[in-house]
Amino acid sequence: GQQVMQIPQYQHVQEGEDFTTYCNSSTTLSNIQWYKQRPGGHPVFLIQLVKSGEVKKQKRLTFQFGEAKKNSSLHITATQTTDVGTYFCAALTDSNYQLIWGAGTKLIIKP
Amino acid sequence: ETGVTQSPTHLIKTRGQQVTLRCSSQSGHNTVSWYQQALGQGPQFIFQYYREEENGRGNFPPRFSGLQFPNYSSELNVNALELDDSALYLCASSSGGERAEAFFGQGTRLTVV
Repeated sequence: GQQVMQIPQYQHVQEGEDFTTYCNSSTTLSNIQWYKQRPGGHPVFLIQLVKSGEVKKQKRLTFQFGEAKKNSSLHITATQTTDVGTYFCAALTDSNYQLIWGAGTKLIIKP
Repeated sequence: ETGVTQSPTHLIKTRGQQVTLRCSSQSGHNTVSWYQQALGQGPQFIFQYYREEENGRGNFPPRFSGLQFPNYSSELNVNALELDDSALYLCASSSGGERAEAFFGQGTRLTVV
């Protein structure tokens, strides 16, 4: 079945450094969504990308959808402690609109 | 707040028992999906209900079953609980369709001992 691979599993950064997580699929995705899950919380929707090559920004967060619609990335500039959590990508299947989730990338701010 | 509520928030059950988890979807949403999230992992799709009918199922055994009611609230039932069923169970509601974002409840933390 359709799978979405997400890397890295963890990323340790100093506050103020940048953070990037990547998602890849072997098949073309109709669209991709990004979620953030704080420790002990539930996933919260961040954004959805639909168009080939699409780039969207939310303050310090930049989301990209690849030209072939097989990969996506989330980049955070100048991380802050409020950015701590796990970031998931999730892709809608073509058949019945079910979300297929990546394994998530955990952002850890070094003390 | 997403408007999606789940109950109970925490639950401890014994292996072999049965459990029912409940979810009230956001107003206007006709689609409910259930996910199992083990510690440190991403959500795993269990099944989805659309207008009271199962609309797809992930790789979970038949002892995981569900219902959706006319008001679009939903239940997840798990029979013959196993230790590995211990996880956070998330319910997400959406308006359905290709571009629908999912609104998650706070989850039910199930511990099987």
